Amino acid sequence: DARVTQTPRHKVTEMGQEVTMRCQPILGHNTVFWYRQTMMQGLELLAYFRNRAPLDDSGMPKDRFSAEMPDATLATLKIQPSEPRDSAVYFCASGSPYGYTFGSGTRLTVV
Amino acid sequence: DQQVKQNSPSLSVQEGRISILNCDYTNSMFDYFLWYKKYPAEGPTFLISISSIKDKNEDGRFTVFLNKSAKHLSLHIVPSQPGDSAVYFCAASAKEYGNKLVFGAGTILRVKS
Repeated sequence: DARVTQTPRHKVTEMGQEVTMRCQPILGHNTVFWYRQTMMQGLELLAYFRNRAPLDDSGMPKDRFSAEMPDATLATLKIQPSEPRDSAVYFCASGSPYGYTFGSGTRLTVV
Repeated sequence: DQQVKQNSPSLSVQEGRISILNCDYTNSMFDYFLWYKKYPAEGPTFLISISSIKDKNEDGRFTVFLNKSAKHLSLHIVPSQPGDSAVYFCAASAKEYGNKLVFGAGTILRVKS
């Protein structure tokens, strides 16, 4: 059963610290998304990649967030420095336009 | 600017009855629409989709209706079951925007037994 794997599942960190979230997309999927779920905004698109190239990261605060795909099996989302308002659940998804598969998410709490 | 709107934050339905979840969109370029279901502590899972060339798609107890002129779609669940209790997200995409999914804020469905 193919799945998108995200690590860590939970992360509690202090304000100002660097946070790195990792995603292993399903093998063969060439499109990878990062979404953030908040109570007010639902699922917000932060960035997405096709064939490892970034296509759109307009949803990301550029001064502190960065997203990369160093290879086809790994996507990373980094926040430096982290702030309390970054507390949310971060989801990675991979697939095709007709049905993306989401990971279980990383719940980030910045205190 | 919310291009996909789910105006009902929550919905409560009796087991066995019909659940109707609604979604409106503002961008006429959207050509593909999806519904995702999400349980607590899990990622959203794909439920059903519809292309803009259709006005209805059915899969078992789930039917999605699309009204392009009104820029409105709805998800019908018949009959509703307690296991359907979850958050339902409407999403839309367009080839012109690289097929990225734009999500609504979600509707919490509670099915009471």
